[in-house]
This record gives sequence, structure tokens and C-alpha cells, in this order.
Amino acid sequence: DAGVIQSPRHEVTEMGQEVTLRCKPISGHDYLFWYRQTMMRGLELLIYFNNNVPIDDSGMPEDRFSAKMPNASFSTLKIQPSEPRDSAVYFCASSRGTANEKLFFGSGTQLSVL
Amino acid sequence: AQSVTQPDIHITVSEGASLELRCNYSYGATPYLFWYVQSPGQGLQLLLKYFSGDTLVQGIKGFEAEFKRSQSSFNLRKPSVHWSDAAEYFCAVGSNNAGNMLTFGGGTRLMVKP
Repeated sequence: DAGVIQSPRHEVTEMGQEVTLRCKPISGHDYLFWYRQTMMRGLELLIYFNNNVPIDDSGMPEDRFSAKMPNASFSTLKIQPSEPRDSAVYFCASSRGTANEKLFFGSGTQLSVL
Repeated sequence: AQSVTQPDIHITVSEGASLELRCNYSYGATPYLFWYVQSPGQGLQLLLKYFSGDTLVQGIKGFEAEFKRSQSSFNLRKPSVHWSDAAEYFCAVGSNNAGNMLTFGGGTRLMVKP
């Protein structure tokens, strides 16, 4: 298995632009997570899905952020409009259905908003 | 609510020396505890996990961790550090009650001196 695949690896955009981050989880995994990592706040859970359904989006910072999972093999995290404070590394992770299963992380998307 | 504290933001050790990274958690019931490692530019990789049973857990790359309920701690250890161990280490806590949601500590950055 190729693991969790995220694209793009790097994204540089200007303030106000729309940004879409993509994630392909490991086949057969029921859970998908979006995390954001910054120096100031560390690793924060933004949202997670179970069987393509959003379960908890309490970590999504504000309405500018939205996430979808149209099928079991694809998810997007969209920021519209983007702001410089959104600059961070965004990780997608997936796991099987139980709480004690490990998370498999993608390599992340480094987002820079100028 | 569950929380994790990693008191040491940075640690520097000499190659060949022993290592202990501290982790304290807060959770009412028996937690699931994890240590993840993040190499530069990469996602997180699971080192080891604890759910129940033997409180001394062995992981990959020669790491081990000990669960001490009385101290609410899950410290990571390695008897002899290698230069390739330089990375950031994250402790995390989860539970069945929280689905597959993990709460991560702030991380400890390990530097290894030759």
C-alpha cells in the first residue's frame, strides 16, 4: 500500500485566494483526520470523518475552512478566503475503526499564504 | 477532557547516551497512550502504544515506554541514542469514549550531538 497520499506537498498562495488540499487515505481505513501543525499551537485536530461522515469539526477554526469526503478514497480541506495566519503544515491521517488503532499520516502539505 | 503535557520542548543528548522523554497525561479512565516520531518534512510515525497489560511497552527502533498510573506518566526511553534518532517526538492520549480522536502533546525536539 502506498500509504496516505496528500497533495500538493507545497502550496504558496496570496491572501484571499482559495486553497484546496487533497488526501487519499489508505484503502480499508474507516477514519480520516485532518490536522494542522504550527510552531505556536503544535498539532491540532481540525476535523475527522468516520465512513465518509464528518463526526467532529469542532477544531475547524472558522467558516473559512471546510472539509468534505465524497467517497472512501478521497477528502479535501478547503480554505476560502485564505489568510497569512493559515500558513502551517496540514496533515491528513487515516486509521481503522477502533480507538486503539494507530494513525497513518501523510507527508503533509506545507501551506504558505503571503 | 483529555490532555497531554510534554514538559521538555528541546532536549540534546550525546550519541550513545541514554534518553528519557517525559509525558504526562490527564484522563479520568484508563487511557490509550501513544508515542509518535516526526522526522523533518515527514508525517508522524507510530513508535509504540499502550492499551492494557504489561506497563512496559516495547516499540520500534529500540524505544520503550513505561505506563505509571500513579504518576499519570508515559515516559519514552532508549538506552543508547543514535544520530538518526534526531527528530520531534509526540506523546498522545486517546480512549474508546473519544472514538479515534487523539490528543497530542506539544512535542519534544531531540537533538543528538556527535
